[in-house]
Amino acid sequence: EAQVTQNPRYLITVTGKKLTVTCSQNMNHEYMSWYRQDPGLGLRQIYYSMNVEVTDKGDVPEGYKVSRKEKRNFPLILESPSPNQTSLYFCASSSGLQGPGSPLHFGNGTRLTVT
Amino acid sequence: DAKTTQPPSMDCAEGRAANLPCNHSTISGNEYVYWYRQIHSQGPQYIIHGLKNNETNEMASLIITEDRKSSTLILPHATLRDTAVYYCIVRGQRYNFNKFYFGSGTKLNVKP
Repeated sequence: EAQVTQNPRYLITVTGKKLTVTCSQNMNHEYMSWYRQDPGLGLRQIYYSMNVEVTDKGDVPEGYKVSRKEKRNFPLILESPSPNQTSLYFCASSSGLQGPGSPLHFGNGTRLTVT
Repeated sequence: DAKTTQPPSMDCAEGRAANLPCNHSTISGNEYVYWYRQIHSQGPQYIIHGLKNNETNEMASLIITEDRKSSTLILPHATLRDTAVYYCIVRGQRYNFNKFYFGSGTKLNVKP
């Protein structure tokens, strides 16, 4: 089944403790991205990657890192999490070959709480 | 990318068609209209997209006006499971076609 898989689904951590949220897709998609969703602010893009070793900042990149060493994986790294990074996170992917005519497929989300 | 305007909420009776409107008056010629929905806090689910012509798939139909300034998503026979927030998004190539701007969406309440 074609899917985007995020892990973990729920994560509670403390301020300053480095964490990684994993994202993997099995559709051979070139494009992957991370979003966070907060009440009243909608979904905002954190980082995106057009292909292996190609990443760029989205609208709210501060406090996050990403890497794209393999086509299928796009982990989100919080080096020193802070309470304002408590949010619902989504990973997404799409085929880059069709440009804007290719749908974005989302994972089921990771709910992160930083205390 | 062009902004979209949607009503904040709508009600629909179960079994009836749900028609969700969206205004995108600043859309440009190469921008697509996408519809997604989000049930509770699950990942947004792709429904349908189109450029100029009307589109239909197993989930819904998309009607785009001739001037492309507005569109309507039609769920032909709404069920309780269609209760969700529906997002209309315009996606194009102005500077980053991989940026999807999700607005506030329309909360569709399907009632028995």
